[in-house]
Amino acid sequence: GESVGLHLPTLSVQEGDNSIINCAYSNSASDYFIWYKQESGKGPQFIIDIRSNMDKRQGQRVTVLLNKTVKHLSLQIAATQPGDSAVYFCAENMGKTSYDKVIFGPGTSLSVIP
Amino acid sequence: NAGVTQTPKFQVLKTGQSMTLQCAQDMNHEYMSWYRQDPGMGLRLIHYSVGAGITDQGEVPNGYNVSRSTTEDFPLRLLSAAPSQTSVYFCASSYHRRASGGGTQYFGPGTRLLVL
Repeated sequence: GESVGLHLPTLSVQEGDNSIINCAYSNSASDYFIWYKQESGKGPQFIIDIRSNMDKRQGQRVTVLLNKTVKHLSLQIAATQPGDSAVYFCAENMGKTSYDKVIFGPGTSLSVIP
Repeated sequence: NAGVTQTPKFQVLKTGQSMTLQCAQDMNHEYMSWYRQDPGMGLRLIHYSVGAGITDQGEVPNGYNVSRSTTEDFPLRLLSAAPSQTSVYFCASSYHRRASGGGTQYFGPGTRLLVL
């Protein structure tokens, strides 16, 4: 079936470096994408979202890039800090009639090396 | 605001027992949902509700029942627990997703359930 997936299950980066977390999606009808951060023992926390009519969206230290041609989504974290260590999930809504069903990918674990 | 609260934090059940996981939110959100998260995996949608009196199935609804009698509360019921239901359960809420074009979901802290 159609699903959201991640290329890398784990990622280790040096403190201060930039991190890039990738996500592939297979449903061309998806028009809304969300990134979540989940720290150990806690529920997911919204980071940033992007709609399919955009290629790029920036937040505080985070940037999401969307490439609809190859159905690829990425989350860039600038100047990665120890507090960024967590599991990151991309999620999608499969079309405007399905905003109620948010489908999560398997997640990438980010470890920041001090 | 307390946000999204879940009780209990931990629960151990024997196979065949029933229980209700409680979820409440004080943000006047129309949309609420339940997910389960198995070790090393993402979240899978169990059931969701777009408003009081309205519920629908997600990806993995079998073995779970829900009801939404008020805007604030969205309990999840396990009628006859099975070891396969051992998981961490998260409740989430947001404004009406269709009307707002998606938007932020706020998650509770989770309930860890072990079925023996």
